[in-house]
Amino acid sequence: EAGVAQSPRYKIIEKRQSVAFWCNPISGHATLYWYQQILGQGPKLLIQFQNNGVVDDSQLPKDRFSAERLKGVDSTLKIQPAKLEDSAVYLCASSFGTGPGNTIYFGEGSWLTVV
Amino acid sequence: AQSVTQLDSQVPVFEEAPVELRCNYSSSVSVYLFWYVQYPNQGLQLLLKYLSGSTLVKGINGFEAEFNKSQTSFHLRKPSVHISDTAEYFCAVIKAVGSNDYKLSFGAGTTVTVRA
Repeated sequence: EAGVAQSPRYKIIEKRQSVAFWCNPISGHATLYWYQQILGQGPKLLIQFQNNGVVDDSQLPKDRFSAERLKGVDSTLKIQPAKLEDSAVYLCASSFGTGPGNTIYFGEGSWLTVV
Repeated sequence: AQSVTQLDSQVPVFEEAPVELRCNYSSSVSVYLFWYVQYPNQGLQLLLKYLSGSTLVKGINGFEAEFNKSQTSFHLRKPSVHISDTAEYFCAVIKAVGSNDYKLSFGAGTTVTVRA
């Protein structure tokens, strides 16, 4: 079974530039998550989708971050304009459904460095 | 809001020695608890989870954890580690009962370095 796919794996941009990350979840998984993991910290949920609808985006900095999952399958996370503090690993994850009995599977992450 | 505290940021250990990673949670309601592992340059992988039932939970790669409600702890243990266990370990919690908010909240992580 294919896992959660993310691209690009690594990206270096200058501050104020924009960047986009793509995620393709495990086939059949209705729930998709984007997490931000800053060095030395645990992952923090940015946004959660159920199919193509947003369930939780309370911790998404909406002035610069946006995410979409238009067809309820793959998703894109965009940052514009980037700040130095956005340097982090952006982890995409998916699960069959919501609820603690559903294992959340993570991708390998997209590493962003803002200089 | 629920949260988890991982009491050790770094744990060096010799190969074949036992290891314990400590995790405490804070919540006034029942919780679901998880341990994830992150190998270098990889995503997170579920090691084990406690949902209900037996308080001793066995996971992959020889790891186990014990849920202790009175001490609000969920410590992770392995009796004999290998070099390949070198990784970052994260404790995580989901608040249960009376909520549809199944947000997974992570601790800051514990770096385990296994030396020969």
